[in-house]
Amino acid sequence: SAVISQKPSRDICQRGTSLTIQCQVDSQVTMMFWYRQQPGQSLTLIATANQGSEATYESGFVIDKFPISRPNLTFSTLTVSNMSPEDSSIYLCSVEDGLNYGYTFGSGTRLTVV
Amino acid sequence: RKEVEQDPGPFNVPEGATVAFNCTYSNSASQSFFWYRQDCRKEPKLLMSVYSSGNEDGRFTAQLNRASQYISLLIRDSKLSDSATYLCVVWSNNNDMRFGAGTRLTVKP
Repeated sequence: SAVISQKPSRDICQRGTSLTIQCQVDSQVTMMFWYRQQPGQSLTLIATANQGSEATYESGFVIDKFPISRPNLTFSTLTVSNMSPEDSSIYLCSVEDGLNYGYTFGSGTRLTVV
Repeated sequence: RKEVEQDPGPFNVPEGATVAFNCTYSNSASQSFFWYRQDCRKEPKLLMSVYSSGNEDGRFTAQLNRASQYISLLIRDSKLSDSATYLCVVWSNNNDMRFGAGTRLTVKP
């Protein structure tokens, strides 16, 4: 299965600032996905990062708040912009490992906004 | 109605017990089904895919009932190391994975 390196693993940020999370995959993948997992909750898809085109956002998530870059088939970034304490969460990237193999996840970024 | 619903748990069982988790999904067009395991403060990891004919991997058995839109996971002879949150995951043909809220299992000595 794919191996994903996600950075940073955790950060504590001031309200109003932005944080960019990076995911590097050890193989080329068509799509990368960004999820949020709030404390005690399951995963919610933020957006799908497509190489060569704009990301596709899920309902409730907008590009201005969560801009995504996908410069090539092995790398993507998610920025959490103008942060507020409500953005405190775990953010995870993932890639598809084949239809019957599910998705592989990065190790997650634990974000705390103070 | 949530797209993927799981037993709320938590399940607290003794070592050696058999425990079963259930999951229902609302999208009848869903194509693939998975059980993931998530340890505390870790990312989810694939435990097993769920096939229409049912499948078994050691102490773990997964079943799928498409007519009832229902998935189950059975763990036999549970170990302390099985303690985790188990996520039911459903994939649709628009490359969309939907996660259940998870069921927490604690296996006690």
